[in-house]
Amino acid sequence: NAGVTQTPKFRILKIGQSMTLQCTQDMNHNYMYWYRQDPGMGLKLIYYSVGAGITDKGEVPNGYNVSRSTTEDFPLRLELAAPSQTSVYFCASSYPRDSPLNTEAFFGQGTRLTVV
Amino acid sequence: AQSVSQHNHHVILSEAASLELGCNYSYGGTVNLFWYVQYPGQHLQLLLKYFSGDPLVKGIKGFEAEFIKSKFSFNLRKPSVQWSDTAEYFCAVNVENTDKLIFGTGTRLQVFP
Repeated sequence: NAGVTQTPKFRILKIGQSMTLQCTQDMNHNYMYWYRQDPGMGLKLIYYSVGAGITDKGEVPNGYNVSRSTTEDFPLRLELAAPSQTSVYFCASSYPRDSPLNTEAFFGQGTRLTVV
Repeated sequence: AQSVSQHNHHVILSEAASLELGCNYSYGGTVNLFWYVQYPGQHLQLLLKYFSGDPLVKGIKGFEAEFIKSKFSFNLRKPSVQWSDTAEYFCAVNVENTDKLIFGTGTRLQVFP
């Protein structure tokens, strides 16, 4: 059971370039989340999804886009990379809050992105 | 808006010292509460959680937390820390009628032998 898988692990982008951070989970979780982690700031929610075809903005959505065409995949797109997007990105998944199956959110290993 | 506050940003302890990390949240309804730990270079792992029932919950590695509804708090405790507890600790809240899982800013714990 792989859990939550993120690719790539590391990436360096130039300002203005675009890229997609991939996230896949094999636990059949409805909910998926994207966070960014910056020193001293904790984890900030970028976007989340409660199921295929449904996405919503989190706390810091500007500069990012997401899609959820399948239950398993939740890619995060950066269209015009900026230095402010240098961060560590974590994807997570879970069952719905009130589901009897819900225990916790499971996290991927993270993607360290540097924009220069 | 829903928010989570962790007032201890950086805690330094010697081995065998007792630990208490504060967590307060801003929502008055039903909540699910979590403490996650992030060891250096790793992803987040669940330490413990509170959904309902006994407000004193026990987690892995000797950690426990107490949910005090009147204080909107969910403080993390450990009677005797070890060097291997050096990590960053995050409190998180999932509120009823919302699908968001919101994290605090984290507390960096350093334990010296």
